[in-house]
Amino acid sequence: GAGVSQSPSNKVTEKGKDVELRCDPISGHTALYWYRQSLGQGLEFLIYFQGNSAPDKSGLPSDRFSAERTGGSVSTLTIQRTQQEDSAVYLCASSSGTGGPYEQYFGPGTRLTVT
Amino acid sequence: AQRVTQPEKLLSVFKGAPVELKCNYSYSGSPELFWYVQYSRQRLQLLLRHISRESIKGFTADLNKGETSFHLKKPFAQEEDSAMYYCALTQQAGSYQLTFGKGTKLSVIP
Repeated sequence: GAGVSQSPSNKVTEKGKDVELRCDPISGHTALYWYRQSLGQGLEFLIYFQGNSAPDKSGLPSDRFSAERTGGSVSTLTIQRTQQEDSAVYLCASSSGTGGPYEQYFGPGTRLTVT
Repeated sequence: AQRVTQPEKLLSVFKGAPVELKCNYSYSGSPELFWYVQYSRQRLQLLLRHISRESIKGFTADLNKGETSFHLKKPFAQEEDSAMYYCALTQQAGSYQLTFGKGTKLSVIP
């Protein structure tokens, strides 16, 4: 079946602009994660959605970052007033079930470059 | 705070030689440990998890709680093992987000 998909695959934006990154999880997966992969910091957790529960936003680096998950499926990560330090690969992952650390399936990522 | 340390950024071995990718962690509770792998131009994927006690592609990893380590081992490296390897942990409750190490690039020399 189809895996996790993300769009766009690459995004170049000017400093100060807003960007939206999209994630389509595996059908039926209730958990969705966003991570950021940058040269200096490695892979960092950003935000977690599980079903209809309130998201865990503890990894978001600033209030310029926000995310939504509509209808328990597609998620959008929004970065407002982008800065050069936001340049990174943004990864989405999904997993099934609750009550345990199930395997996370990763998307191909969106490479964001802020000029 | 939980932390995962992979001391080697790059590890080069000859084909057929043994491989050991080191991973140490710090966590106050009882974590679950994983190894993820990213081959060239492919997405990040799970290689193995300690709770499964499996051998995947010839790789094994043993959780040593006394030394807080979860080293990845393979007795005979193959060229197709060349990839980026990430050690990760998650807690046993809550959101199960992964805390990753910074990764080790394994290069197997033919």
